[in-house]
Amino acid sequence: SYNLSQPPSVSVSPGQTARISCSGNKLGDKYACWYQQKPGQSPVLVIYGDNKRPSGIPERFSGSNSGNTATLTIRGTQATDEADYYCQAWDGNTVVFGGGTNLAVL
Amino acid sequence: QVRLQESGPGLGKASETLSLTCNVSGGSIRNYYWSWIRQSAGKGLEWIGRIHSSGSTDYSPSLKGRVAMSVDTSNNQFYLRLISVTAADTAVYYCARNLPRGHDGLDVWGQGTTVTVSS
Repeated sequence: SYNLSQPPSVSVSPGQTARISCSGNKLGDKYACWYQQKPGQSPVLVIYGDNKRPSGIPERFSGSNSGNTATLTIRGTQATDEADYYCQAWDGNTVVFGGGTNLAVL
Repeated sequence: QVRLQESGPGLGKASETLSLTCNVSGGSIRNYYWSWIRQSAGKGLEWIGRIHSSGSTDYSPSLKGRVAMSVDTSNNQFYLRLISVTAADTAVYYCARNLPRGHDGLDVWGQGTTVTVSS
C-alpha cells in the first residue's frame, strides 16, 4: 500500500515561514492536497492540485510537489494557523492521507 | 453553497451494522464522487471509500468486505454501511465531496458525526 509520511510536529514563530513536508514514493507524479484541521472542527482543504488555493484560503498558503516530496508553505504565519495539517494523495482509486503534522505557532 | 450533514445512531454494539446518512444541500449530488472519512480520537484521517452519483464505488483495502456505500439521487443523499463493527470502529465519521477533476482533493466536508461502538 502507498504511504505518505509527515513530521509529527513543526514549530514556527509568528510572522515567519512554516514549511510542512509530505513524502511518498513518486509523489510528484500525483496531485498533492493539504487540509487544515483545528481542534473540534472538520478538515478544511487549503491546497489542491499541488498548488491551487480554494476560494477563501489566504494567499500566504502555498504548495509545491516534486520528486518524492510535497511541501505546504505558510508565509507570515499567524496564531490562527496553529492546527493539524494533513497531506493527501491518490493511490490508484483510493485516497491516502499522511499521518498529520501539528503546527505550533510559538 | 453546498453543505453536507451526516446523521445516524451515535451508539452501536459490537458485531452489529453501522449505518450513516449524508445529506447534500445547496447543490446537486449528481456527477460528483462523494467520500466517507473517519477519525478516531486523537488520531489521523482515514479514508473509507467513495461513491459516484451513478453508484460506482471504490473502497479502502483495509475496510473492503465490511463496507458498502449507496446513493439516492432523488433525495440528494448517500449512505455508509459498515458491518461487524468493533470498538476499533469508534470514531468521528465525515462525509465529503470529491473535486470534479478526479484524483484530487475533497473540497466540502460535513461537520462529522460521532459513533461509539460498545461491547
